[in-house]
Amino acid sequence: DTGVSQNPRHKITKRGQNVTFRCDPISEHNRLYWYRQTLGQGPEFLTYFQNEAQLEKSRLLSDRFSAERPKGSFSTLEIQRTEQGDSAMYLCASSVLREIWSPDTQYFGPGTRLTVL
Amino acid sequence: GENVEQHPSTLSVQEGDSAVIKCTYSDSASNYFPWYKQELGKGPQLIIDIRSNVGEKKDQRIAVTLNKTAKHFSLHITETQPEDSAVYFCAASRTYSGGGADGLTFGKGTHLIIQP
Repeated sequence: DTGVSQNPRHKITKRGQNVTFRCDPISEHNRLYWYRQTLGQGPEFLTYFQNEAQLEKSRLLSDRFSAERPKGSFSTLEIQRTEQGDSAMYLCASSVLREIWSPDTQYFGPGTRLTVL
Repeated sequence: GENVEQHPSTLSVQEGDSAVIKCTYSDSASNYFPWYKQELGKGPQLIIDIRSNVGEKKDQRIAVTLNKTAKHFSLHITETQPEDSAVYFCAASRTYSGGGADGLTFGKGTHLIIQP
């Protein structure tokens, strides 16, 4: 399977604990995005990398959230001191810039479902 | 920032009939409009997309239309089949001349139910 992969698929944690999710993008995709999706809503943009550089962060990304893409390949999203409001599906997407002005076609992974008790 | 409104929230059609889902966007600078299908427990899957320099695009039973002046775009599915049942999301974003892009802004989704 050459699609976007995410691990773990499910994570249950207690409030106050730290959690880390991993995303492996499609091979050679230079852009990687993180989104959060709550029940009955569309995905909400969190942050975006081009290669290893984090280029944009949403105001939704509080200081408890941090994302990295150290070698421009896989990415991790860490949530510190989790709160019940962090319970959601965390989605990763990747894309590749082929030419200037080309659409940024994003391909999504299956997501990591986080439950904070 | 961009705001995308999507209607209806639920759509039930008879198998074989057509389904239409409509979205509006607020930022006139948005120039890329994808549609995603999401099945239970899975990530969104791209089904069709359109750029702002095109008014209509078709791929077999699926078509998307864009009205830039009114800031509307719509998804049309013809000859619906049971496997079309899912949640559909519209989205909008802006691509920049330097190659950068905003993250996608999604609508709230439409639950499409195909009645046998």
